[in-house]
This record gives sequence, C-alpha cells and structure tokens, in this order.
Amino acid sequence: KQEVTQIPAALSVPEGENLVLNCSFTDSAIYNLQWFRQDPGKGLTSLLLIQSSQREQTSGRLNASLDKSSGRSTLYIAASQPGDSATYLCAALLQKLVFGQGTRLTINP
Amino acid sequence: DGGITQSPKYLFRKEGQNVTLSCEQNLNHDAMYWYRQDPGQGLRLIYYSQIVNDFQKGDIAEGYSVSREKKESFPLTVTSAQKNPTAFYLCASSIMATYEQYFGPGTRLTVT
Repeated sequence: KQEVTQIPAALSVPEGENLVLNCSFTDSAIYNLQWFRQDPGKGLTSLLLIQSSQREQTSGRLNASLDKSSGRSTLYIAASQPGDSATYLCAALLQKLVFGQGTRLTINP
Repeated sequence: DGGITQSPKYLFRKEGQNVTLSCEQNLNHDAMYWYRQDPGQGLRLIYYSQIVNDFQKGDIAEGYSVSREKKESFPLTVTSAQKNPTAFYLCASSIMATYEQYFGPGTRLTVT
C-alpha cells in the first residue's frame, strides 16, 4: 500500500530565505507526483506535476525534484515571501492519488 | 474562465437527512473525483469516475453515492448511513493524458 509522508509537519522561516519541503513515498512505481498548495478553508491549487520519466519541474520561484529510486521528492521555494504561507501537499499517483499530510509553512515578515 | 465549481460553500444539515453536494467542471476533463478532508487525516478518496455513466468506489465509499450522467457534472450524495459526515469535501477533475488533478474550492458540510 502506497504511503506518502511529509516532514516537517510545520515550518516557520523569515522572509527572503530559500527553503526545501520534503516528501517521501513507499512505492517507487509511481506514474507521477504532484505538489499542491492549500490556503485555510480553500481548495487545492496545483503547483507542479512531475511525470515518472522526469527529474524536476520549475515554475517561477518553485522547483520540484523527483528521485523515484529513493522514494523522495522535494519542493524548493526561492526567496520566500509572506504570501507563500500556506499548507503544501504532495501526492503520488499509482492506481490512485495518495496524499501526504502536508507541511504548514509560515513566512515571517 | 475554465474551472471547477462546487456549491454551496457551507452546508448545514440535521442528522438523518441525505444531502447532495454539487460539482461542475468546464475543463472538458474526462475523470472526476470526490475527496474528503479531515484535520490530521489528509485527503481520502470517496468515489471517482473516468467516463460518463461509470464510477468506482474509493477508499471510504460507505455512506456515499454518486452519479455521472453528464461529463461536466459529478454530484455526491451524503446519506444518513454515513456515520461521521461532518467534513470538508473536495471535488477534482483530471486530464487523462497526464492525470494532473485540478480541485474545486470545496464544500464544508456540518451535520448536527
């Protein structure tokens, strides 16, 4: 059974710092891995999708990497801003999308 | 504007009543999904549908029912058989080519 873990559960950093969020999964035969952002009380916003044949994807200040052999993905956020404060979820697709519990990120001005 | 709409945003019901949550998409996606989100439990899949008039149970389908009569619409009924229905419900759709999922804004259901 696929399990997805995100550590840490919460992270607080000062504005301007670069940071890395971690995601690990137990079954490396994934079809893709997707990173989402969720603001309180809102739906999920898709940030990046990495297909199993890809190693990384970039969008603006965000870069996501995928290492299937080690069962890990990271989301790198450059030059963090207070508007980046949200919960970030990763999800791995096998037969269905399996979500991690999320990392609650706070960027302090 | 393409997207997924869910209505209503907040829903209150008495215990023992069935309630239907609406989900509509104009993205021309084939697949649609319903998830439930509870604090500390992450998102769990309730039902999904890959084509019209066909749907499959997810991990927690007991107490829920769905229909897919149109490609754009995938309503979820929370029945009185659902033991703990109070939760945040999220609808999603995906492109079959990449399976990238897009989510609606969610419906918060409170049953008392």
